[in-house]
Amino acid sequence: DQQVKQNSPSLSVQEGRISILNCDYTNSMFDYFLWYKKYPAEGPTFLISISSIKDKNEDGRFTVFLNKSAKHLSLHIVPSQPGDSAVYFCAASAGSGGGADGLTFGKGTHLIIQP
Amino acid sequence: NAGVMQNPRHLVRRRGQEARLRCSPMKGHSHVYWYRQLPEEGLKFMVYLQKENIIDESGMPKERFSAEFPKEGPSILRIQQVVRGDSAAYFCASSLNLPSSYEQYFGPGTRLTVT
Repeated sequence: DQQVKQNSPSLSVQEGRISILNCDYTNSMFDYFLWYKKYPAEGPTFLISISSIKDKNEDGRFTVFLNKSAKHLSLHIVPSQPGDSAVYFCAASAGSGGGADGLTFGKGTHLIIQP
Repeated sequence: NAGVMQNPRHLVRRRGQEARLRCSPMKGHSHVYWYRQLPEEGLKFMVYLQKENIIDESGMPKERFSAEFPKEGPSILRIQQVVRGDSAAYFCASSLNLPSSYEQYFGPGTRLTVT
């Protein structure tokens, strides 16, 4: 039972264009969402996060949108650059107790930026 | 300004041997998490620890796996009597001891191969 789903295993985008990565979740207890970027043979790198009390968070070229009613979030990267080619993971937290608990990850989307 | 450190980076064990994976959190972080990633899968939460306490081990297999985070020294993930199915990348993450500090920062991982 996958609680966080990334339905596109891969996505190819031209350099300079917008990359949109999507993520759906089923657990209504999730109240915090994160995006991580991962290169082969390295650990995930934190990119951006959003609390369920917001619907948008922006950091430089990265913007995350959250639609709570649809249980859907997306990561927008504008403009896309060659160094953005990586696997992107969506993760969610239910924030129990003091706010720190194990994250639930999607299977990832492999973003390929084409020159 | 060291990040999360894990060692060894690669570990080869024969079936039946023990594997010990070490994780030193980022400076100032007192929450440690262990995740496992199988090929073509997302990261799966295993255990969440604070100093000398296991907070949540709901993702840990019931047998052969154990984790600790002593008062002094790194966190250890121990796998006894390894089997081929234990071959995976094991990632450690750490976070701050603050309410609502959901961001977890990952180490480079330990790639365990069981022959």
